[in-house]
Amino acid sequence: DQQVKQNSPSLSVQEGRISILNCDYTNSMFDYFLWYKKYPAEGPTFLISISSIKDKNEDGRFTVFLNKSAKHLSLHIVPSQPGDSAVYFCAASARRSNYQLIWGAGTKLIIKP
Amino acid sequence: DSGVTQTPKHLITATGQRVTLRCSPRSGDLSVYWYQQSLDQGLQFLIQYYNGEERAKGNILERFSAQQFPDLHSELNLSSLELGDSALYFCASSEGEAYNEQFFGPGTRLTVL
Repeated sequence: DQQVKQNSPSLSVQEGRISILNCDYTNSMFDYFLWYKKYPAEGPTFLISISSIKDKNEDGRFTVFLNKSAKHLSLHIVPSQPGDSAVYFCAASARRSNYQLIWGAGTKLIIKP
Repeated sequence: DSGVTQTPKHLITATGQRVTLRCSPRSGDLSVYWYQQSLDQGLQFLIQYYNGEERAKGNILERFSAQQFPDLHSELNLSSLELGDSALYFCASSEGEAYNEQFFGPGTRLTVL
């Protein structure tokens, strides 16, 4: 049972436009959500996170939105840059599970020049 | 550079064999986590150690075991290897016991022939 789903295996976006990556979850106990970015031949790197008490968190070009009623979160990248081409993983955790991270399968983002 | 090191980078072995993967966490981090990423899959949490003690177990097979040594480095032992064990194995570390922000190593690519 996949508790965290990233339904788009890949996404192609023009440079300078907005990239929107989506993530759905099924476990209502999740209360912390993270996005990680992964380049080939490297480990994932932490990008941005959001607690369930918020519906938006912004860090520079990156904004994460959380819709608890829909059990959906999204990562917006504005404007998209060539260096943003990578695989993006959504992860979720719950305090009652000592914040064990449950990961989505990832979305490969390709920024076209 | 996350500060987490993993060796070896690549490992090719045969079915039935045993291998050991090694991880050195970031300086000051007490928690080490092991993950498995199979082709086109998300990261599967295997096990966590905190300051030398096992803290949490995920989807780790009985053929796999891990330990964390007094100097905080960790080893993941994989035995009776099967073709399906071919994957990327990541180690991550964090300062505390909870999972939230983890720093990943570059991974070890294991190929079982």
